[in-house]
Amino acid sequence: EAQVTQNPRYLITVTGKKLTVTCSQNMNHEYMSWYRQDPGLGLRQIYYSMNVEVTDKGDVPEGYKVSRKEKRNFPLILESPSPNQTSLYFCASLSLGTGGNTIYFGEGSWLTVV
Amino acid sequence: DQQVKQNSPSLSVQEGRISILNCDYTNSMFDYFLWYKKYPAEGPTFLISISSIKDKNEDGRFTVFLNKSAKHLSLHIVPSQPGDSAVYFCAASARYGGSQGNLIFGKGTKLSVKP
Repeated sequence: EAQVTQNPRYLITVTGKKLTVTCSQNMNHEYMSWYRQDPGLGLRQIYYSMNVEVTDKGDVPEGYKVSRKEKRNFPLILESPSPNQTSLYFCASLSLGTGGNTIYFGEGSWLTVV
Repeated sequence: DQQVKQNSPSLSVQEGRISILNCDYTNSMFDYFLWYKKYPAEGPTFLISISSIKDKNEDGRFTVFLNKSAKHLSLHIVPSQPGDSAVYFCAASARYGGSQGNLIFGKGTKLSVKP
């Protein structure tokens, strides 16, 4: 079964304490991406990766880092979380083949920074 | 500057009637458009897509229409069912542009289908 798996699903943390949200996909997709969803703002892209060792900023990259050392994993790193990073985060992946751009999402990670 | 706009944050429809969700875009490089559906506490799920070489794509109760000259697309749900109540996101990408694979999302429209 095609899956995008995120962990943790729920996390409450304190300002400044580094955290990592993991993302793994089992579809051998080249492209992976992180989005955050906030009320009234929809889905905004944080970072994306076209392939291993290839990452680029999305619309709202400030305060985040990513890495893509292997194809299946794309962790999101918050080096020093702040309360404005309280949000619902989605990891996504898709194949860059000729079939189109159907993107698969994980179930989301609720992050609260206090 | 929003490249993909869903100007209606919410829509309420009676069960059995048609739901029409609208989406406008500004980037003429976009050539592939998708609709995603999202229930609370779940990730968005793919619903239907359309390539810029078409003006209509149909899948069961869902039809997407594309008007390239107006840079407008719409999702029609007929007949609407209470289980369709969700947030619907429009998304666009330029598959053959420099940001291949990069999907731009609208802010979403919350659809409520009343029994």
